[in-house]
Amino acid sequence: RKEVEQDPGPFNVPEGATVAFNCTYSNSASQSFFWYRQDCRKEPKLLMSVYSSGNEDGRFTAQLNRASQYISLLIRDSKLSDSATYLCVVNGGTGGFKTIFGAGTRLFVKA
Amino acid sequence: NAGVMQNPRHLVRRRGQEARLRCSPMKGHSHVYWYRQLPEEGLKFMVYLQKENIIDESGMPKERFSAEFPKEGPSILRIQQVVRGDSAAYFCASSPPNGIMETQYFGPGTRLLVL
Repeated sequence: RKEVEQDPGPFNVPEGATVAFNCTYSNSASQSFFWYRQDCRKEPKLLMSVYSSGNEDGRFTAQLNRASQYISLLIRDSKLSDSATYLCVVNGGTGGFKTIFGAGTRLFVKA
Repeated sequence: NAGVMQNPRHLVRRRGQEARLRCSPMKGHSHVYWYRQLPEEGLKFMVYLQKENIIDESGMPKERFSAEFPKEGPSILRIQQVVRGDSAAYFCASSPPNGIMETQYFGPGTRLLVL
């Protein structure tokens, strides 16, 4: 089992749609969680941190469920510019300090 | 406030040569991370360094790869005797002194092509 698993997609949605991505992680001792986006041939950029209490930033909402070891990202009112790969990121935990990136979920928003 | 800087942005090497990739963290950041991304794949953690210390190198190949973050100057990822399979994008990230629990900010990457 991968340490961080994401549905690779692609998700093809029309503008204005709501889309949700899920991510599961295997290390129950993991301590911090993030969503990044990566555009083609560019570096990853932080989208938002993820907290158990939920985190909302405009059209984006992230949620963490520690009991189920599950992270989600919801995008409302999708824009063409949201087309990218969304990376689930898990930090820390027992056995090391390394950061684990999911393989990413590709999103295409169409006009 | 300049972001994370990496150079060169593109590097071409022939098999057997050495590749040196440089990373200057954001101002005030003392933690550096190196990742490798193969085409159409996710980022793979390689190494986590603080000034003059390697904290976690569990993602580094056992041979030919080394990393350092000296007291002065950029972090260096060094690949000796490169092979075609080393062709990839190498990203560096940095974070503030609280380290691993903090957000990491990425540089633009170095794209290495081994001929």
